[in-house]
Amino acid sequence: DAKTTQPNSMESNEEEPVHLPCNHSTISGTDYIHWYRQLPSQGPEYVIHGLTSNVNNRMASLAIAEDRKSSTLILHRATLRDAAVYYCILKTGTYKYIFGTGTRLKVLA
Amino acid sequence: NAGVTQTPKFQVLKTGQSMTLQCAQDMNHNSMYWYRQDPGMGLRLIYYSASEGTTDKGEVPNGYNVSRLNKREFSLRLESAAPSQTSVYFCASSSNRATVTNEKLFFGSGTQLSVL
Repeated sequence: DAKTTQPNSMESNEEEPVHLPCNHSTISGTDYIHWYRQLPSQGPEYVIHGLTSNVNNRMASLAIAEDRKSSTLILHRATLRDAAVYYCILKTGTYKYIFGTGTRLKVLA
Repeated sequence: NAGVTQTPKFQVLKTGQSMTLQCAQDMNHNSMYWYRQDPGMGLRLIYYSASEGTTDKGEVPNGYNVSRLNKREFSLRLESAAPSQTSVYFCASSSNRATVTNEKLFFGSGTQLSVL
């Protein structure tokens, strides 16, 4: 099974950009790359996803490497409310979402 | 906006007891999922239901059974609870329409289960 690898934790200063990396070297051509985040005591919530091209939405940007073996979630201006565990996930097929262990983001005031 | 609702939020069981975790979604989604989350291990899929009337095993199905009662409801049953099943359980749903590529999961707020 394809899997994702993320750093265990990262820190960022408030109001600065954050780049959260993810490696997925065994990704297949049809696997989508999803990012979710989990705030304390809550279920994960969707952030962004993509297949091959870079993607932007109101929450974040997703940069996907040309060979698709890695991706980076970009939060343009971190706020204290962005402190969470960020999961890089491969969606393989219609129903299978493979979660990694996530990156705990700490935002410093 | 209710979304995905899980009950109960907390539960303590003794080894060997049985219980059912309930999940309901009000978004008319086709697919529903049960995950467990253990410290340092991310989320692992227990069972999923692609559509009403179907269920399939995920990564860690042993010790669990599921029922897709109708399109809205998907329950997870522990027949004989074991300490290894102490975990946080999350239910999720997605529309999974074949013509749409931007499918995403919507999660409930979780059930904290302790088995003593």
